[in-house]
Amino acid sequence: EAQVTQNPRYLITVTGKKLTVTCSQNMNHEYMSWYRQDPGLGLRQIYYSMNVEVTDKGDVPEGYKVSRKEKRNFPLILESPSPNQTSLYFCATWGWWVDTQYFGPGTRLTVL
Amino acid sequence: QQQVKQSPQSLIVQKGGISIINCAYENTAFDYFPWYQQFPGKGPALLIAIRPDVSEKKEGRFTISFNKSAKQFSLHIMDSQPGDSATYFCAARSSGTSYGKLTFGQGTILTVHP
Repeated sequence: EAQVTQNPRYLITVTGKKLTVTCSQNMNHEYMSWYRQDPGLGLRQIYYSMNVEVTDKGDVPEGYKVSRKEKRNFPLILESPSPNQTSLYFCATWGWWVDTQYFGPGTRLTVL
Repeated sequence: QQQVKQSPQSLIVQKGGISIINCAYENTAFDYFPWYQQFPGKGPALLIAIRPDVSEKKEGRFTISFNKSAKQFSLHIMDSQPGDSATYFCAARSSGTSYGKLTFGQGTILTVHP
C-alpha cells in the first residue's frame, strides 16, 4: 500500500527549540516536497527535492532546512522555531513516470 | 507574489448542479496544472491534472478546461454530490530553472446541498 508517513502528527513546542518533522515514503518516488497550510493562505511550498541530494527552495523557505540523503526520507528541520511557524505541515511525494502524487496526513505544529 | 489566482473563495451548489472553479496564472513557465481535493482533517489528494498542450481533460464527473492564450484553467464538477463538499486547490508546476516547484491557488470551499 502506497504510504507517506509523517511524524509527529501533533507537536507543541517553544520558541527556539530545534525540532525535526520526519517524512518517509514507500513508493520509490523521486520527488518529495514540504508544504505549510494556513487559513486564508492556502498551501505554500517550503522546499522540494527532485532526487537524492537535490533540493530547492519553494515559496516560503525562510526558517526551514531540509535534507535528502536517502530516497525514502525527507525531514523538515526548524533550527529555531518561532510562533509564525505555527501551521499545518504536509509532506508529499510525486512519481514522475506514473504521474501519481500522495500527501502525508499532516503535522500540526504550535510554537509558543 | 501570488502567481495563481483562484476564484471563488467559496461556492454553494445544489445536488445535481455544476460546480465551476476558476484559476488564472501569470507565469508562462508552467508545464503542469493539477487540481487537489481536501476533506477536513485530511491531506490534499490529487484529483485531476492537465498539461498545456491539451485543452480539456475529463475523468468521470470532473473536467479540466484549459485556455492557454488566456492563461486560465477551470475545474468543472458535473452532477455535484454532497460527498464532493471539500476544499479544492488548483496549482501550477514550474518548468525551466525552477522545475518541480508548485504554486497553489488560495483554495475554494465547495458546499453541495442535498
